[in-house]
Amino acid sequence: GEDVEQSLFLSVREGDSSVINCTYTDSSSTYLYWYKQEPGAGLQLLTYIFSNMDMKQDQRLTVLLNKKDKHLSLRIADTQTGDSAIYFCAEGGTVRTDKLIFGTGTRLQVFP
Amino acid sequence: DGGITQSPKYLFRKEGQNVTLSCEQNLNHDAMYWYRQDPGQGLRLIYYSQIVNDFQKGDIAEGYSVSREKKESFPLTVTSAQKNPTAFYLCASSNNGLAGVGDTQYFGPGTRLTVL
Repeated sequence: GEDVEQSLFLSVREGDSSVINCTYTDSSSTYLYWYKQEPGAGLQLLTYIFSNMDMKQDQRLTVLLNKKDKHLSLRIADTQTGDSAIYFCAEGGTVRTDKLIFGTGTRLQVFP
Repeated sequence: DGGITQSPKYLFRKEGQNVTLSCEQNLNHDAMYWYRQDPGQGLRLIYYSQIVNDFQKGDIAEGYSVSREKKESFPLTVTSAQKNPTAFYLCASSNNGLAGVGDTQYFGPGTRLTVL
């Protein structure tokens, strides 16, 4: 079956780097996504990575993909208080379904 | 100004009543989705539609119903058969519904439903 797991909480100091981790079980996933959800709001797409890539960088965001271990991470450099939110990883395009399968979300708290 | 709108933002319902949540998009997307979000459980797919006049059940469709009479609209009805309807409901849309080719989902702001 498919399962996407994330740790529930992460707390970092402003200016430090944050690393949010995600593990998934379906190795046939073709795309992996990171979404951000601010309090009381919908989800905002941050970035995504195609499964044949190891890394993708977009300004302060770096996505690393380890296909062998089925591990995805999102690194946020110079974390700001405005980065405080819930971050969801999602896998898509598996052999079982073309729908997105979301993780449980990691709540990132940034303190001064 | 393109996007997805959901209304109302907050909704209160008495037990035993049906209630309908609205979702509208002007992105000209073919596919639309309804998710339910509970604390610590991530998003669970209720229903989705890849084309007008067609929709499929997601993982937790029991107690819910949908219609897709227009491309831009995908209303969700929470019926009295749904045992625990209090949750945050999110609507999304995407170009073609094929996540395997990188079809990105865009989300509305959500509706928080509380059953009294």
